[in-house]
Amino acid sequence: GQQVMQIPQYQHVQEGEDFTTYCNSSTTLSNIQWYKQRPGGHPVFLIQLVKSGEVKKQKRLTFQFGEAKKNSSLHITATQTTDVGTYFCAGPSGNSNSGYALNFGKGTSLLVTP
Amino acid sequence: DAMVIQNPRYQVTQFGKPVTLSCSQTLNHNVMYWYQQKSSQAPKLLFHYYDKDFNNEADTPDNFQSRRPNTSFCFLDIRSPGLGDAAMYLCATSPRGRRDTDTQYFGPGTRLTVL
Repeated sequence: GQQVMQIPQYQHVQEGEDFTTYCNSSTTLSNIQWYKQRPGGHPVFLIQLVKSGEVKKQKRLTFQFGEAKKNSSLHITATQTTDVGTYFCAGPSGNSNSGYALNFGKGTSLLVTP
Repeated sequence: DAMVIQNPRYQVTQFGKPVTLSCSQTLNHNVMYWYQQKSSQAPKLLFHYYDKDFNNEADTPDNFQSRRPNTSFCFLDIRSPGLGDAAMYLCATSPRGRRDTDTQYFGPGTRLTVL
């Protein structure tokens, strides 16, 4: 199935600094989704990107889908302690058995120090 | 308003003792998924139901089985849990929309401990 690679694995920032996580696929993705998982919690859907070159914003979060639809990024401006958690990107599984399933990247764990 | 409910939230079982985890949903979604998530790792899909159609991932061990008696409920059966099966088990649902744009709604998970 399609694989999505995500970097970095960990990121530790001071509160107020910016943060970016990157997601790459070897194949073209029809769409990419981003999820956030707080420590001890479950993944929560953040956003979906569908169009080539699409950019979407949610307050301090900016999501981007590459022109070739093979990469994506999530940028957080002026991080806050509430941003702590693991951010996962996910693309549709290419496995014919998986139907509507998603392939998750390994995630980027963000730690924000006050 | 709970939408995807998992019970129990914590489950302790003994090595080799069968265990069943349950998931229910109030969203009336047609697709239900079971994921296994180990510490500091991404969720790993075990299988999913598209309506009544069961779809097993190729690398899911035979030790893991699932049942979906109706739209609202889905169960994960682990026939003979091993120490390596200790993990968080996440249930998720998605609406019956276009294949390429379905998003998933996760339950809070069941943390399984195997002694």
